[in-house]
Amino acid sequence: EVQLVQSGAEVKKPGESLKISCKGSGYSFTSYWIGWVRQMPGKGLEWMGIIYPGDSDTRYSPSFQGQVTISADKSISTAYLQWSSLKASDTAMYYCARLSTDRNDAFDIWGQGTMVTVSS
Amino acid sequence: QSALTQPPSVSGSPGQSVTISCTGTSSDVGSYNRVSWYQQPPGTAPKLMIYEVSNRPSGVPDRFSGSKSGNTASLTISGLQAEDEADYYCSSYTSSSRGYVFGTGTKVTVL
Repeated sequence: EVQLVQSGAEVKKPGESLKISCKGSGYSFTSYWIGWVRQMPGKGLEWMGIIYPGDSDTRYSPSFQGQVTISADKSISTAYLQWSSLKASDTAMYYCARLSTDRNDAFDIWGQGTMVTVSS
Repeated sequence: QSALTQPPSVSGSPGQSVTISCTGTSSDVGSYNRVSWYQQPPGTAPKLMIYEVSNRPSGVPDRFSGSKSGNTASLTISGLQAEDEADYYCSSYTSSSRGYVFGTGTKVTVL
């Protein structure tokens, strides 16, 4: 079964760092882009960026450039999203999703989401 | 980059049809067929419903259909059912950032 499994919920304080993960299985992890999507409480989906695990080519939305870092470790089929200094406004659900070029750039497989809460 | 524009909500009775619009620009929807639609029931992850403007993945009912004209894409749900009640989002590739952009989202209510 093709799936993306994300790490568990996190509760952090402002200023702390964080790295969440997304592990792919059931397909060739290095052959598909992985994207990250933010959903703030009660709000819509926002595209943050994507990475190609095969060569770590990464693209960011202008809204998130410099705010987060996307990386991947192809040896363990895992993509990451990290913050160096969290803010309260980073409180949101974060989803990873596989980008299918077979389906003309649709996000065809989604992780279950990781809830990040930042509060003092 | 700005989000694609969708109506905040649409509603219909069981068996009726509803259409959700998704308006972008010549940098995204208007220039590429990389338009997809996602369904998100409350408390769940999004699910792909339509890709490449009008194609359905296996398992998606044929009540769901997509189309595009100019800078606007549309999702139509025919024969509306109670289980279709959810938020729906469109998405497109955008050349402005060589990335992707989602729509503002539409809540579908089955009356």
